[in-house]
Amino acid sequence: KQEVTQIPAALSVPEGENLVLNCSFTDSAIYNLQWFRQDPGKGLTSLLLIQSSQREQTSGRLNASLDKSSGRSTLYIAASQPGDSATYLCAVKGRGSYIPTFGRGTSLIVHP
Amino acid sequence: EAQVTQNPRYLITVTGKKLTVTCSQNMNHEYMSWYRQDPGLGLRQIYYSMNVEVTDKGDVPEGYKVSRKEKRNFPLILESPSPNQTSLYFCASSLSWWQGDSYEQYFGPGTRLTVT
Repeated sequence: KQEVTQIPAALSVPEGENLVLNCSFTDSAIYNLQWFRQDPGKGLTSLLLIQSSQREQTSGRLNASLDKSSGRSTLYIAASQPGDSATYLCAVKGRGSYIPTFGRGTSLIVHP
Repeated sequence: EAQVTQNPRYLITVTGKKLTVTCSQNMNHEYMSWYRQDPGLGLRQIYYSMNVEVTDKGDVPEGYKVSRKEKRNFPLILESPSPNQTSLYFCASSLSWWQGDSYEQYFGPGTRLTVT
């Protein structure tokens, strides 16, 4: 069964730092990996979707990479801002499953 | 605006009183699903629907029912709510979720349910 792990569980950084969030998955047979942002008590907002055939996707200050063979994805946030403070979750759609698998998330605080 | 809507956003109820949480999407998506989110347990899928009249159990279906009579709506029904169903619930949709498909999931704003 697919398992998704996100490390670290929590991260606190000063404003302006470039940072990397990690997402690992155990079964490399996936169709895609999606990164989400969740503000406290709110819904999930889609950030980036990487197809299994892609190596990376970019949106503004965000860059997500995918290394399917090693079962890893990273979300790179450039020049972090206090408004980036949120929980970031990754989810994979695996082959042979109709249920996506989510990680537990990384809680990010960017302090001024 | 493309969106997934849920109602109500907040609900406090008592044990055993049947309730329905509605979910609607305006993107003509085939796939819809329900999740619950609990501290320390993350997001867990309750039920999903591949299309109208096609529903199946997710990871935690006990105590819940769903129906998909129209493409845009996917209500979640708690026939006899219990305190362990107190949680934050999310509805989500995607264009399609068949094997070979690869589309984004879009989430609703959430419904915070408290069962006393």
